[in-house]
Amino acid sequence: EAGVAQSPRYKIIEKRQSVAFWCNPISGHATLYWYQQILGQGPKLLIQFQNNGVVDDSQLPKDRFSAERLKGVDSTLKIQPAKLEDSAVYLCASRGTGTTGELFFGEGSRLTVL
Amino acid sequence: GDSVTQMEGPVTLSEEAFLTINCTYTATGYPSLFWYVQYPGEGLQLLLKATKADDKGSNKGFEATYRKETTSFHLEKGSVQVSDSAVYFCALSANQAGTALIFGKGTTLSVSS
Repeated sequence: EAGVAQSPRYKIIEKRQSVAFWCNPISGHATLYWYQQILGQGPKLLIQFQNNGVVDDSQLPKDRFSAERLKGVDSTLKIQPAKLEDSAVYLCASRGTGTTGELFFGEGSRLTVL
Repeated sequence: GDSVTQMEGPVTLSEEAFLTINCTYTATGYPSLFWYVQYPGEGLQLLLKATKADDKGSNKGFEATYRKETTSFHLEKGSVQVSDSAVYFCALSANQAGTALIFGKGTTLSVSS
């Protein structure tokens, strides 16, 4: 079974530039999550999708971050304009059915903002 | 709100030593509890889980018991190996369909031979 795919693995940009990350979840997984992991901290939820609808985006900085999940499969996370404090690893995860189902994580996209 | 607190790292051990990484949580209701591991250069992967009080999760020689009375889920292993060197994250999920995981800050384990 293919895992969660993310790209790019690494991205370096200047502050105020924009960046986009892509995620392809495990086939059939309706729930998709984007997490931000700053160095030395645990992952923090940014947004959760159920199919192509947003379930929770309460911690997403909406003035600069946006995310979409068209057709309930792939998802993109965009940052525009980027700030220095956005340097982090952006993790995508998906989950199958059931209330205690395991989250499957991709390898993450490491962003460095200079 | 719900939260997870893990012991500060790094934890440095010699091979075959006993490992304990403490984890406590704050949550309303009865969450599910998880330990995830992140090996160098790899993504997060589930190590073990427990879904109700007194459940014991186990995998690869690691164990953790869901203790409701002390709101704890401490990770233990009787004899660590160099290959166990990684970052370990404790996490919880409210028992509702599709609820996101809330993670602790992670504990880095370094095992030397």
